[in-house]
Amino acid sequence: AQTVTQSQPEMSVQEAETVTLSCTYDTSENNYYLFWYKQPPSRQMILVIRQEAYKQQNATENRFSVNFQKAAKSFSLKISDSQLGDTAMYFCAFMSVYYGGATNKLIFGTGTLLAVQP
Amino acid sequence: DTGVSQNPRHKITKRGQNVTFRCDPISEHNRLYWYRQTLGQGPEFLTYFQNEAQLEKSRLLSDRFSAERPKGSFSTLEIQRTEQGDSAMYLCASGTSWDSPYEQYFGPGTRLTVT
Repeated sequence: AQTVTQSQPEMSVQEAETVTLSCTYDTSENNYYLFWYKQPPSRQMILVIRQEAYKQQNATENRFSVNFQKAAKSFSLKISDSQLGDTAMYFCAFMSVYYGGATNKLIFGTGTLLAVQP
Repeated sequence: DTGVSQNPRHKITKRGQNVTFRCDPISEHNRLYWYRQTLGQGPEFLTYFQNEAQLEKSRLLSDRFSAERPKGSFSTLEIQRTEQGDSAMYLCASGTSWDSPYEQYFGPGTRLTVT
């Protein structure tokens, strides 16, 4: 069974600085997706960034980038130029890739609560 | 284009009562997922629909839980004889099997408190 581990329950960063959130996962599969989701206080979860396992190039989305180390099964999220609106719970998630209508369910870690300080 | 909506947003019930939650996915999304999130944990998968067919149920979904998606549009999740351990946030997500098939859009959730 796949598992996702986030070892940092809480982190804090000063506004405009850079922070890295860690995530490791365990799987025997070769084809999968990894995600970082953001859940602001009392608001719905939104997708921050996605990485396909078959792609060696790390995904980037504006101030957000990942460091994907497939052999080490590591998937960290870097947030540059942190903003107050980045304050949220961040979840790392794994998805096996199945075709033909099979479930593509997400397996989540326990989350990292990020506080951006002014 | 509205997002995923869930009703009610909050539900307080007494142990032993039945409750039903509703999820309205993004229009034309044929995939619909239910997850449960307890305090301090990440969401856990409960069940999945493609159109009106329920294709997978987690072992977390006991016999007291039932989900439906009768016309392939909205979905309901019913919990019978609620227990205090059912207290959690119930999240719904939708997606498609064609455009960005691996992306799931989440609703705001229904927070259930069983007293």
